[in-house]
Amino acid sequence: KQEVTQIPAALSVPEGENLVLNCSFTDSAIYNLQWFRQDPGKGLTSLLLIQSSQREQTSGRLNASLDKSSGRSTLYIAASQPGDSATYLCAVDDYKLSFGAGTTVTVRA
Amino acid sequence: DTGVSQDPRHKITKRGQNVTFRCDPISEHNRLYWYRQTLGQGPEFLTYFQNEAQLEKSRLLSDRFSAERPKGSFSTLEIQRTEQGDSAMYLCASSAGTKNTEAFFGQGTRLTVV
Repeated sequence: KQEVTQIPAALSVPEGENLVLNCSFTDSAIYNLQWFRQDPGKGLTSLLLIQSSQREQTSGRLNASLDKSSGRSTLYIAASQPGDSATYLCAVDDYKLSFGAGTTVTVRA
Repeated sequence: DTGVSQDPRHKITKRGQNVTFRCDPISEHNRLYWYRQTLGQGPEFLTYFQNEAQLEKSRLLSDRFSAERPKGSFSTLEIQRTEQGDSAMYLCASSAGTKNTEAFFGQGTRLTVV
């Protein structure tokens, strides 16, 4: 069974600081890995998809890396803003998505 | 396309009642998933469909839960004889179903069993 772990569980940073969110998974036989953002009481918004053959994917201030062999992915958010405050979830796709518990980020103005 | 749509957004029901939720996926997405999320946890897989075929059900999905996707379009999730432990956010997602495509989620249905 795929197990996904996200560290840290919570993070608080001042505005402008870069964010580093970690995700690890136990079974490297995946099709892709997806990062999501979730605001309180809302659904999930897709941020980035990294295919299993890729090492990195970028979208604006977001950059995600994938090391499939070691079962790790990292999401970097540059120059954080208060609007980045949310819970960030990673999910690995091995025909269905398996999620970590998320990292709750607070960016202080 | 307006994305994945779920209805209702909120549902309060008394213990023992039956409830049904609806999910309308992105058009032409042939894969549809149901997840359940409780406070502070990541979404847990319940079941998924490839077109109208239900391909897998999680052990979390007891006999009180049933899901359908007639004609491979919208899907319904029914919970019979609700219990307080069923209180959660129920999320629906859809994808094009090939190996390297994004999954898109709806806004969820918040169920409260009193």
